[in-house]
Amino acid sequence: GIQVEQSPPDLILQEGANSTLRCNFSDSVNNLQWFHQNPWGQLINLFYIPSGTKQNGRLSATTVATERYSLLYISSSQTTDSGVYFCAVVYSGAGSYQLTFGKGTKLSVIP
Amino acid sequence: EADIYQTPRYLVIGTGKKITLECSQTMGHDKMYWYQQDPGMELHLIHYSYGVNSTEKGDLSSESTVSRIRTEHFPLTLESARPSHTSQYLCASSGAGTGVHGYTFGSGTRLTVV
Repeated sequence: GIQVEQSPPDLILQEGANSTLRCNFSDSVNNLQWFHQNPWGQLINLFYIPSGTKQNGRLSATTVATERYSLLYISSSQTTDSGVYFCAVVYSGAGSYQLTFGKGTKLSVIP
Repeated sequence: EADIYQTPRYLVIGTGKKITLECSQTMGHDKMYWYQQDPGMELHLIHYSYGVNSTEKGDLSSESTVSRIRTEHFPLTLESARPSHTSQYLCASSGAGTGVHGYTFGSGTRLTVV
């Protein structure tokens, strides 16, 4: 099956700093999503971004499908950004709709 | 605004009990999924359904079972709970072609078997 690798696995930031999270995937995809899992375990959908660039406030994401990677940018980080960020993809093979997750990046933002 | 609902949010239950975790969505999505996640770890697909009366097992082996009698409802059942079933269970749905929203996840059920 398709492989999803995220880096770094852990990241500690001072409040106000910027960061970039990376997601590499091993095959062509027709769906890529970034999620934030908060301390209560809820998965919040940040971006649906199989290709191109999107922005939502302090967050933005870019997917370069031809090179099989996606980046999530967090600017001016806040303590509420802490949690685990997951990248997940759907392989573009026929009949495939299942979302495969990476292992996540655990972000800690300290005051 | 949640369009996919899971109950209960937390459940502590004794070994050997039968339990059903509920999942309902109001988006008319044809596809629904159950994922299992241990704390701080990646999510693993355990069951999925592409429509009414269609269910399949996912990549991670699970002793649970599911049913899909109505489009909006996808319950998960454990016939005899064991401590090894302690985990978080997340339900998700997606529409035809996933549209511009992709998957939507419920808030999860955190299960503890004592």
